[in-house]
Amino acid sequence: AQSVTQLGSHVSVSEGALVLLRCNYSSSVPPYLFWYVQYPNQGLQLLLKYTSAATLVKGINGFEAEFKKSETSFHLTKPSAHMSDAAEYFCAVSDLRGNEKLTFGTGTRLTIIP
Amino acid sequence: KAGVTQTPRYLIKTRGQQVTLSCSPISGHRSVSWYQQTPGQGLQFLFEYFSETQRNKGNFPGRFSGRQFSNSRSEMNVSTLELGDSALYLCASSLVSGALAYEQYFGPGTRLTVT
Repeated sequence: AQSVTQLGSHVSVSEGALVLLRCNYSSSVPPYLFWYVQYPNQGLQLLLKYTSAATLVKGINGFEAEFKKSETSFHLTKPSAHMSDAAEYFCAVSDLRGNEKLTFGTGTRLTIIP
Repeated sequence: KAGVTQTPRYLIKTRGQQVTLSCSPISGHRSVSWYQQTPGQGLQFLFEYFSETQRNKGNFPGRFSGRQFSNSRSEMNVSTLELGDSALYLCASSLVSGALAYEQYFGPGTRLTVT
């Protein structure tokens, strides 16, 4: 069974600083990996996804993530934080067997300090 | 193109009652998945429907059920509500079922409060 672990339930960064949100996965088969963002009182929005093509994945709003098989990691980064990035971020994993089920991490709440 | 819509957005029910939530996927999308989000358990998969058939089911009791109509709209039903069913219920749609076309679009959710 696949799972993801997000390290740090709360992360605070200063505006303009690097954003780094950590995600480690566990999967018995090559995974599909995703990052979603959730703003207050809204659903989830897909930021980016890894589907076994390029290991460095670029997403929306300046975010990117790198798939590292040796470290079983898929950390999310953004070079310069903006106030509008304040939200909750979820890492999720699926498998390649055509299963629509997403397994989510517990989420990381990102706070941006002015 | 309109996004995923969920109705109602907010709902208050009493223990023991039942509730039906509705989800309209993006036009042309045929797969609908449901998730429950709570502060304690996080986001958990409930079930997925494709072409009116349930393809996958999460680890929830039989009180949770769903269905999908020929126009891909989906409903989920919770019978004999318990306090622990209070949650944000999220619906997600995708074009087809299967990993190759995998990109789920989420609705805003229905906030269910059980008193």
